[in-house]
Amino acid sequence: EADIYQTPRYLVIGTGKKITLECSQTMGHDKMYWYQQDPGMELHLIHYSYGVNSTEKGDLSSESTVSRIRTEHFPLTLESARPSHTSQYLCASSELWGLRQFFGPGTRLTVL
Amino acid sequence: QKEVEQNSGPLSVPEGAIASLNCTYSDRGSQSFFWYRQYSGKSPELIMFIYSNGDKEDGRFTAQLNKASQYVSLLIRDSQPSDSATYLCAVTRNNAGNMLTFGGGTRLMVKP
Repeated sequence: EADIYQTPRYLVIGTGKKITLECSQTMGHDKMYWYQQDPGMELHLIHYSYGVNSTEKGDLSSESTVSRIRTEHFPLTLESARPSHTSQYLCASSELWGLRQFFGPGTRLTVL
Repeated sequence: QKEVEQNSGPLSVPEGAIASLNCTYSDRGSQSFFWYRQYSGKSPELIMFIYSNGDKEDGRFTAQLNKASQYVSLLIRDSQPSDSATYLCAVTRNNAGNMLTFGGGTRLMVKP
């Protein structure tokens, strides 16, 4: 079944640690996105990609980085986590010129 | 002014009633409009999309679009307690392909 996956679902980590949030999709989509959402707040686009070797920064400035080496995989990395990075991170995908975005289950990150 | 405005709620309706959720947007070039449902702690799920002025019905859901007034709404007929969630309005950005701008969402509570 075509789907979009995120791991881990929950992560509690100490300040200064390097973390990678994984996102994979089996939907055959070219375009992928990372959003950040604080509880009860709106989604903010932090990164997106049109396809392999394409990465772009979104609206919200983020200290995270992303890579797109394979079409189905779009990991997000924080080199040195801080408490201000505590949030929910949502990965999404769409067809290259499609309008409908489909979301993964999210990763809830807590940095102590 | 936010690009996509929604009343944060909560909007409380009795079971069986019609819930009316509203959204206004500032970008006159926006062409496509989406409603996502997000249960607490979960990721957004696409429930409706509309491209043309007028109404679009899908089961208990009706999306209404008025581009002249820059207004889009979602009606939920025969509201059920399972409809209790936050409803996010999203609009495409002018000259930005299929990038979406999300509103902050309206929290709907359906009381038995």
